[in-house]
Amino acid sequence: GAVVSQHPSWVICKSGTSVKIECRSLDFQATTMFWYRQFPKQSLMLMATSNEGSKATYEQGVEKDKFLINHASLTLSTLTVTSAHPEDSSFYICSARDFRGGGTGELFFGEGSRLTVL
Amino acid sequence: AQSVAQPEDQVNVAEGNPLTVKCTYSVSGNPYLFWYVQYPNRGLQFLLKYITGDNLVKGSYGFEAEFNKSQTSFHLKKPSALVSDSALYFCAVRDTLRGSTLGRLYFGRGTQLTVWP
Repeated sequence: GAVVSQHPSWVICKSGTSVKIECRSLDFQATTMFWYRQFPKQSLMLMATSNEGSKATYEQGVEKDKFLINHASLTLSTLTVTSAHPEDSSFYICSARDFRGGGTGELFFGEGSRLTVL
Repeated sequence: AQSVAQPEDQVNVAEGNPLTVKCTYSVSGNPYLFWYVQYPNRGLQFLLKYITGDNLVKGSYGFEAEFNKSQTSFHLKKPSALVSDSALYFCAVRDTLRGSTLGRLYFGRGTQLTVWP
């Protein structure tokens, strides 16, 4: 299947600092990527849809000024958690859809990024 | 609105026994259904999907799922469980509406499968 790479896998930062998480589609182009947040033992919560070359579409209740999303190319989307606080500590997962071959394109997920804010 | 329900938080089964992880869905229109597996501190891995066609879908690692339209279910099954199958399993339905929401996946809350030796 398609490969989605996410970096970093683990990050620890101080409260008040900003953290950037990268999501790359390694062997396909992704015009749309999705960012999810997962709390311990809970399901994935969709945060936003990242669209190449345009603004991200945020889900209700997600602060766009806090979670900045940039999708500057067809293979890279970034999520920046600005002025991080301990409550932002979570597991963040990105995903992208592979439409090659004209299929319906299942989502492929990155390995996730564990953010811990001290 | 699209949604899926996984009624069981936990499923425990002995190695070698068949396993079933349940999922029911609610959609407007034809459903696009998926199963994903997640190992600790890892992303999700795609197992299988139902878009159209045969109701019995075969996927990775010996898993299969049966689409039942009358019962609006898409249960995940495996004839003989392995200890290495122990993981968190998510059922998902894809948004098939046009517009900005196109392509979003809605996940169930997940079912923790434990296979004991």
